[in-house]
Amino acid sequence: EVQLVESGGVLVQPGGSLRLSCAASGFTFSSYDMHWVRQATGKGLEWVSAISTAGDTYYPGSVKGRFTISRENAKNSLYLQMNSLRAGDTAVYYCARGSYDSSGYTFDYWGQGTLVTVSS
Amino acid sequence: ELVMTQSPATLSVSPGERATLSCRASQSVSSNLAWYQQKPGQAPRLLIYGASTRATGIPARFSGSGSGTEFTLTISSVQSEDFADYYCQQYNNWPLTFGQGTRLEIK
Repeated sequence: EVQLVESGGVLVQPGGSLRLSCAASGFTFSSYDMHWVRQATGKGLEWVSAISTAGDTYYPGSVKGRFTISRENAKNSLYLQMNSLRAGDTAVYYCARGSYDSSGYTFDYWGQGTLVTVSS
Repeated sequence: ELVMTQSPATLSVSPGERATLSCRASQSVSSNLAWYQQKPGQAPRLLIYGASTRATGIPARFSGSGSGTEFTLTISSVQSEDFADYYCQQYNNWPLTFGQGTRLEIK
């Protein structure tokens, strides 16, 4: 059974840093792209970052230069290093698996999320 | 950045009725579009990808159509468990972007 379990979400002050983790199991982790997606309370979904199987990374402008996605295949783990945090980064952060087939690309499995609160 | 616009923001239907949700892209995304369902307190669940391919285990009452810039998610006969938020998402261009969501509520 595929499982993604996020951890590391806490209350942090503006300007602070935080590292989120996502522990993967039930599939060959190294064979899949991985993503972070966030959702502020009562708001929609926002894609935050992606890392390919080859280690290529992608970010939207809202977090580029502040967030760093990484993976450790030997530990079946995904990470998100978040620096210079702002109130607007407050959200539930989900990790999601990216999967290709002949019909397209999907986030086919999601974790349950970890809450990051940025506040003084 | 490619903008995805969903309409309506809220759709009120009675159980058994047909529901039609729309998603428009600010530029062509070909068929590189997915739909997700999210219930309160839960992670999103993949429904449709490639604009029209149902994900594993998704009931046949869910169907997707469209290409280019106009897409539709149709629920042929809404069941009680279908009342939720729905998001479209394009994966044709970086950054990946979601629509703002449509809430399907009970009429």
